[in-house]
Amino acid sequence: GAVVSQHPSRVICKSGTSVKIECRSLDFQATTMFWYRQFPKQSLMLMATSNEGSKATYEQGVEKDKFLINHASLTLSTLTVTSAHPEDSSFYICSARDPRGAYEQYFGPGTRLTVT
Amino acid sequence: KQEVTQIPAALSVPEGENLVLNCSFTDSAIYNLQWFRQDPGKGLTSLLLIQSSQREQTSGRLNASLDKSSGRSTLYIAASQPGDSATYLCAVPTGGGADGLTFGKGTHLIIQP
Repeated sequence: GAVVSQHPSRVICKSGTSVKIECRSLDFQATTMFWYRQFPKQSLMLMATSNEGSKATYEQGVEKDKFLINHASLTLSTLTVTSAHPEDSSFYICSARDPRGAYEQYFGPGTRLTVT
Repeated sequence: KQEVTQIPAALSVPEGENLVLNCSFTDSAIYNLQWFRQDPGKGLTSLLLIQSSQREQTSGRLNASLDKSSGRSTLYIAASQPGDSATYLCAVPTGGGADGLTFGKGTHLIIQP
C-alpha cells in the first residue's frame, strides 16, 4: 500500500508556543489530505480537510485560527498548533487519499503532542 | 450526521478462535467502508476496504462483509493469533460531499496465548 509519513513523531512544547507537524505522501500525489485528533482511549475525530492550493475545510467546533493548515504541494500538508495549551495535548494523525484506484485512505504514524 | 458504532468494545479470547467484530453506521449513503488496525501509541494500518457495490473482501485470515442497506459491516478473523491483538476500527466517509472519515470507537481485541 501507499506510504504516508509524519514528522515529528513526538513533541513537547511549552504553553503559549506554536508547533508545526508535517504530513507527507511518499509514493503518490495527494490533492486531499486529512487531519485527525485522538484523545486517550477515544477514537479518531476529523479536524479538517486539507486541499492542495486552496483553503482547508474545518469541521464544526475546530478553531481554524488555532489549527493552521497549509497544503503547499501535492505531497505535503502541515498542521500548526498556535499558542498551544495543555488541553491541546493529543495524538494528531494525518491521512492522504490515494487517487489511484479505490480512493483508499492511508494514515501516517501520528504525532504525540504534549503541552506543558 | 454519520455515526458509527462498534460492538463489542472489548474482546479477550484464547488463541485459535474465530472472531466476529461488528460495525454499524447510521447513514447508508456511503461509497466505501474501511477496517483499520491500531496498535497502542501507533498510527492506523488499513486492513480492508469494501466498495459500496461489493458485499465482501478478503485478505488472508480476514474477511469483511458489508450490508449497505442495513448499515452494517462485520470483520471476521479466522484462527486468531496473539499478534492479532490490537484495536480494530471501522470507518465510513463522513458524507455531505466530504471525504474525511467517521470512525467508530473501536474493538479492543486481546488474543491470549
